[in-house]
Amino acid sequence: DIQMTQSPSSLSASVGDRVSITCRAAQSIDNFLNWYQQKPGKAPQLLISAASNLESGVPSRFSGSGSGTDFTLTISSLHPEDFATYFCQQSYSLLSWTFGQGTKVE
Amino acid sequence: QVQLQESGPGLVQPSETLSLTCTVSGGSITGYSWTWIRQSPGTGLEFIGCFPHSGSTYYSPSLRSRASISVDASTTQFSLRLTSLTPADTAVYYCARVNRQVIFSNYYYYMDVWGKGTTVTVSS
Repeated sequence: DIQMTQSPSSLSASVGDRVSITCRAAQSIDNFLNWYQQKPGKAPQLLISAASNLESGVPSRFSGSGSGTDFTLTISSLHPEDFATYFCQQSYSLLSWTFGQGTKVE
Repeated sequence: QVQLQESGPGLVQPSETLSLTCTVSGGSITGYSWTWIRQSPGTGLEFIGCFPHSGSTYYSPSLRSRASISVDASTTQFSLRLTSLTPADTAVYYCARVNRQVIFSNYYYYMDVWGKGTTVTVSS
């Protein structure tokens, strides 16, 4: 399995802040990287695919970047509804997708 | 709008077999791949397996010997069977649709529709 490591595990932020979350893969995964948002008691929701493609309906304040082993999810200006946990997921290894451990934005 | 709904037992005895069903509504089950993901506080989000729109079903190496996923297009349902349960299998189980996009001849897969999840507890 390809190990995915997110940092930080949690962060404190305020409405209006610019927030960046990092995801690192144990080996190169090109840009086969997805980002999800999860709120308590809910299923994850897709935000970004292929490292930087914004899912339809996702606000433009979310953006993704990176390639190879290092990736970043950025929220340009934090809204109240953005307080949640964010996960990265690699789809490079088709036989076994893996997720990061999550970053809680509080 | 496609919706997914998991169903199955909330409590299962150790060593028994878990059977979960995911019902797909509002869209077609054919032409897509379908997957099961689970989440527990100890292990986070864990890929269980995927039934692809073509080809053979594939599973996480750690669960391959115990997991089985099948699709019934006539009922627009797909199922997960997990044998020899232990307390470590206690988790919220999600079904999800796997979509794909083609960019410069590369296939990018992602889970774009999820069920709400069902909690499974393995305990005597």
